[in-house]
Amino acid sequence: GESVGLHLPTLSVQEGDNSIINCAYSNSASDYFIWYKQESGKGPQFIIDIRSNMDKRQGQRVTVLLNKTVKHLSLQIAATQPGDSAVYFCAENGSLGNTGKLIFGQGTTLQVKP
Amino acid sequence: NAGVMQNPRHLVRRRGQEARLRCSPMKGHSHVYWYRQLPEEGLKFMVYLQKENIIDESGMPKERFSAEFPKEGPSILRIQQVVRGDSAAYFCASSSEQGSNEKLFFGSGTQLSVL
Repeated sequence: GESVGLHLPTLSVQEGDNSIINCAYSNSASDYFIWYKQESGKGPQFIIDIRSNMDKRQGQRVTVLLNKTVKHLSLQIAATQPGDSAVYFCAENGSLGNTGKLIFGQGTTLQVKP
Repeated sequence: NAGVMQNPRHLVRRRGQEARLRCSPMKGHSHVYWYRQLPEEGLKFMVYLQKENIIDESGMPKERFSAEFPKEGPSILRIQQVVRGDSAAYFCASSSEQGSNEKLFFGSGTQLSVL
């Protein structure tokens, strides 16, 4: 079946360090991936997305890497700040393509130590 | 430029009552999606609607749950005869068009608590 999972439930980093959050997906038909950030009591906030015809995409302080060979997705956050503390979810569009029906992973909690 | 608006933020119901959750998509968006999130879990797709049409309801429980997106007004997720297992955060998302843009923008959610 389809599943999206994260390797670690909690990641603790020092302020200023770089963070790497990993995600594994199982559906090789997925061609769109997205990272969301969710703070306590709020809805998921879009961070960055990537299509399967790319292996890397950069945003402001964030980079998403896609390795289709091993079905692995990662989110890198440079110079992590206290405001980055949140739960991070990866999501994929599965085998249904362009329907907006995303499959979410369980989430990784990022804790930033001052 | 208001984002996706959901209300109420918190809803408390007793078992057997009805819950109505409302969602107004972002301006210019005609696609609405409802997701449910249980504590410490990821979001699970429930239903996808366009104006006056249900496109995909494969994630909706067969009984007690219904959704609509009328021509005028917000999208409504309706849960009849609520049970404690319905307690969760319900998120609405919208997108501008299917096919070329799957980027979903989420609202702040409605936290449903069933006593």
